[in-house]
This record gives sequence, structure tokens and C-alpha cells, in this order.
Amino acid sequence: NAGVMQNPRHLVRRRGQEARLRCSPMKGHSHVYWYRQLPEEGLKFMVYLQKENIIDESGMPKERFSAEFPKEGPSILRIQQVVRGDSAAYFCASSLGGASTEAFFGQGTRLTVV
Amino acid sequence: QKEVEQNSGPLSVPEGAIASLNCTYSDRGSQSFFWYRQYSGKSPELIMFIYSNGDKEDGRFTAQLNKASQYVSLLIRDSQPSDSATYLCAVTPGGGADGLTFGKGTHLIIQP
Repeated sequence: NAGVMQNPRHLVRRRGQEARLRCSPMKGHSHVYWYRQLPEEGLKFMVYLQKENIIDESGMPKERFSAEFPKEGPSILRIQQVVRGDSAAYFCASSLGGASTEAFFGQGTRLTVV
Repeated sequence: QKEVEQNSGPLSVPEGAIASLNCTYSDRGSQSFFWYRQYSGKSPELIMFIYSNGDKEDGRFTAQLNKASQYVSLLIRDSQPSDSATYLCAVTPGGGADGLTFGKGTHLIIQP
């Protein structure tokens, strides 16, 4: 029973390029959350999605960041025109229901912007 | 702004003793409370969750919740060196929002 799968595990991008992070939730889970963890900082909520719907994007920067969870395929977090400050670990979590139920995390994607 | 506060540590506990980790939160509407363990460079791993006031035990772990005091804690009995990690407290905010609010974590060191 595979857990939450994220890829790539490590991603290096030059300033101005686009970064695409993918997340496949646990089998049977239809709720996906993206979090960002900066060095020495706590996890910060970015966006909550269900299939084909963005439920809450209150934690996501208004510019350059977008997320989707299509009917088929993984959830995608897209960062356009990356800057050095985007370097962080990006974690995806999934749950059976809303956040009042237990969420399980993937291994994360470590983005480095050079 | 809704906040979750934890002592960053490091908290040093001898092997076999009880480790006590504390967390306070500011949002009185919070309904669900979670403890995650995160080893350096790894992803958070869910250890415990608690929804009601009182204690909840699972093996060597006990979560305690006091909503009136806005306080949640995690006790680890018979601490092992493998318990050395950062422990993250997380709460669901009130008002219908669904993303977890995390504390910055407490770094726990179990001394052999």
C-alpha cells in the first residue's frame, strides 16, 4: 500500500525558470495539501485541493504560484519564474477527509534555486 | 494571526525517562490536534492525534489536551535514542479553514 508519492525528490532550477512538483496521494485519499518548509522554519500551509477543485489557497503567494489536482493524475504545484527565496522543502500530504482527519505526508521535494 | 507555540529546545532527556513536549495555540476554534515527528531531512510522520479534552494513550505515547487552557502536550515514556527528533504540534484552525497550522517544533535529544 504505497504512501504519498512526491517527485522529484530534489529539483534544481535557475532563477527565472519554472518548477513543477508532483504529488500522488495515498490510495483512497481525495484530499491533498501542500506545505512549504523553509530552513529553520515551521511547515506553512499553502493550498488544499480536492479532485478538480481548489478548496483553500489562503497560504499560497498570489503571484507565480499555482496548484491543481486534475481528475486524472497527480496534484501539481507550479512555481513560475523561481527566485532564490523559493528554495525550500515542499511537502504534500493527503487525507481521507478534511483536515480534521489524519493527514499523511510524502517525502517532499527539495527545491534549490541557483 | 493564528499561532502555535512550542519551545524550540533542544530538550535533553536521559534514555528510559519520560519526555514531555508542550504546545499552546491561540485559535479557540481549533478542533483537532496532531503530533508529528520529523527526523532531520525527512518528512513529518504522524504519531498521535486528539480531538477531545483529556488523555489519549497509544503505546509509549500519551497526548493530553486542555481546550480551556489552549494547551496540548505529548508524553513519551521509556524514551529511546531513536525518539531523538523534532516534534511538531499541529492544529486545525477554526472557522472552516482546513490547512493545518504547525508550530516550529521542539528538538528532542535522548541521551544514551
